Amino acid sequence: GQNIDQPTEMTATEGAIVQINCTYQTSGFNGLFWYQQHAGEAPTFLSYNVLDGLEEKGRFSSFLSRSKGYSYLLLKELQMKDSASYLCAPNRDDKIIFGKGTRLHILP
Amino acid sequence: DAGVIQSPRHEVTEMGQEVTLRCKPISGHDYLFWYRQTMMRGLELLIYFNNNVPIDDSGMPEDRFSAKMPNASFSTLKIQPSEPRDSAVYFCASSWDRGLNEQFFGPGTRLTVL
Repeated sequence: GQNIDQPTEMTATEGAIVQINCTYQTSGFNGLFWYQQHAGEAPTFLSYNVLDGLEEKGRFSSFLSRSKGYSYLLLKELQMKDSASYLCAPNRDDKIIFGKGTRLHILP
Repeated sequence: DAGVIQSPRHEVTEMGQEVTLRCKPISGHDYLFWYRQTMMRGLELLIYFNNNVPIDDSGMPEDRFSAKMPNASFSTLKIQPSEPRDSAVYFCASSWDRGLNEQFFGPGTRLTVL
């Protein structure tokens, strides 16, 4: 919704690396969240980027380019438990707007 | 803290009936949000409160939907009358602010209107 674009589905192999891209409208932009949502469960917080650049947190990293309206979530050393939806959520005028999410399938 | 608590977890009702969803936010959080999630539309913000006061209800689909927050520890979302297109998962979330910190989501209520 509201011009947040991310792939609907992706598939990757256990142990590999995957990058989930997100583009968004830059008007009123204050920062960007990534949330993880396992099937049948609530979304849980992964990261929040305000400044340009890469922020690393264990196996997960998130990148932001404010001028390009672009972010990505990088997942390393994929595990089966990483099978979930990943929601890109820009903070626009201090209101979080969620994208429809990318369903990530991990193959053994 | 027990986290955000929602009830019921599942609700099946017939078209035309009134449905009331309940939420208890995390103690100390000033903001409470109600979301609806469907496959077609994703996660949509319906309404949010700050210190028990409704701030933005622009996401409420129509007059059949109403939300209240009588005190800091309780909120309700009511649908009257319910319609099959209201079938969705409804999440409540709470936060210290409206956009600068993470939101903590409850487990959701899966609503099915027949």
